[in-house]
Amino acid sequence: GAGVSQTPSNKVTEKGKYVELRCDPISGHTALYWYRQSLGQGPEFLIYFQGTGAADDSGLPNDRFFAVRPEGSVSTLKIQRTERGDSAVYLCASSPEGRLAGVNEQFFGPGTRLTVL
Amino acid sequence: GEDVEQSLFLSVREGDSSVINCTYTDSSSTYLYWYKQEPGAGLQLLTYIFSNMDMKQDQRLTVLLNKKDKHLSLRIADTQTGDSAIYFCAVASGGYNKLIFGAGTRLAVHP
Repeated sequence: GAGVSQTPSNKVTEKGKYVELRCDPISGHTALYWYRQSLGQGPEFLIYFQGTGAADDSGLPNDRFFAVRPEGSVSTLKIQRTERGDSAVYLCASSPEGRLAGVNEQFFGPGTRLTVL
Repeated sequence: GEDVEQSLFLSVREGDSSVINCTYTDSSSTYLYWYKQEPGAGLQLLTYIFSNMDMKQDQRLTVLLNKKDKHLSLRIADTQTGDSAIYFCAVASGGYNKLIFGAGTRLAVHP
């Protein structure tokens, strides 16, 4: 079946601009996660949605970053006033159920590579 | 906060065993994971271990967990060139939802 998809695959923008990154999770997965991966590093947690609500946004670096998931499926990560330090690969993952005890396998998308000039 | 450390690079000969090591700080982590990342491909879950286990074997993969030392290792038997990739150790935090990743170990397999 279809996996997690992310669009665009690449985004180049100028410092100070606004960007939106989209994630389509696996159908039926209630939990959705955003991570950021900088060059040479592992993914860094940003935010976790359970259904429509952000259950844990402790990883968002500052108030320029915001994410929504209005219908409990597609999610959009929004970055205002982009800075060069925001350049990274932004990864989205989904899992069938985030809260239940269990292995909670997260399925990752291919990522969006964001470059801020 | 939680921290996960890995060595950055490992080179092995084809057919040998590879051992990738990881240390972590969060003793409350209940599940610990190994992910694989290949160029142009997304992160793929390889295997995992529950914190009340010491060892888990899955075909060529063996995971060892030493909770006392907070040390996790992944052994790949009979390493093949197709195993060349970056391997990430990750621990679950915050009620199973948040994954904390190490920086990844780049495995290079040579003939």
